[in-house]
Amino acid sequence: RKEVEQDPGPFNVPEGATVAFNCTYSNSASQSFFWYRQDCRKEPKLLMSVYSSGNEDGRFTAQLNRASQYISLLIRDSKLSDSATYLCVVNGLRSNYQLIWGAGTKLIIKP
Amino acid sequence: DVKVTQSSRYLVKRTGEKVFLECVQDMDHENMFWYRQDPGLGLRLIYFSYDVKMKEKGDIPEGYSVSREKKERFSLILESASTNQTSMYLCASSPQGGYYGYTFGSGTRLTVV
Repeated sequence: RKEVEQDPGPFNVPEGATVAFNCTYSNSASQSFFWYRQDCRKEPKLLMSVYSSGNEDGRFTAQLNRASQYISLLIRDSKLSDSATYLCVVNGLRSNYQLIWGAGTKLIIKP
Repeated sequence: DVKVTQSSRYLVKRTGEKVFLECVQDMDHENMFWYRQDPGLGLRLIYFSYDVKMKEKGDIPEGYSVSREKKERFSLILESASTNQTSMYLCASSPQGGYYGYTFGSGTRLTVV
């Protein structure tokens, strides 16, 4: 089993719709969780950290479910510019500062 | 903002050459990392360093070495480049503790011919 698993997609979504993706992780002791966004041929950039109580940043909402070991990302009122690959990231077994990366979920927003 | 700078955006090297990829960060971060990213495989950790002169192997260290003589600089060395090392190489840094995520450089797309 991979340490961090994501549905690779692509998710094809019309502009203005709401889309959600999940990510599961295997290390029940993980403490740090993030969503990164990566545009084609660019470096990953931090989208948001994920906190235990869930958190929101504009149109983006992240949730953590420790019991089931998954995190989710919800995007409301999707924009064309949201088209990207979304990477789920969790701290690793070896150390807290070493992050484990999911392979990413590709999102395509269509006009 | 933290800035992580990689010395080259695109690089073409010949098989057997020794290749140096340089990475510099300007925010006094303790941790630095080298990843490679290939289609369908995601980010794979090559080496990381949590302090000057300290290094640890990641998941795919074979064929690579690293050097961290100064806190701000972390170099990746391909001892004898091979075609299967053609990839996007990403450097990242983070403060101690790992609670703030990583900041990446813009990447080096290396082609070995």
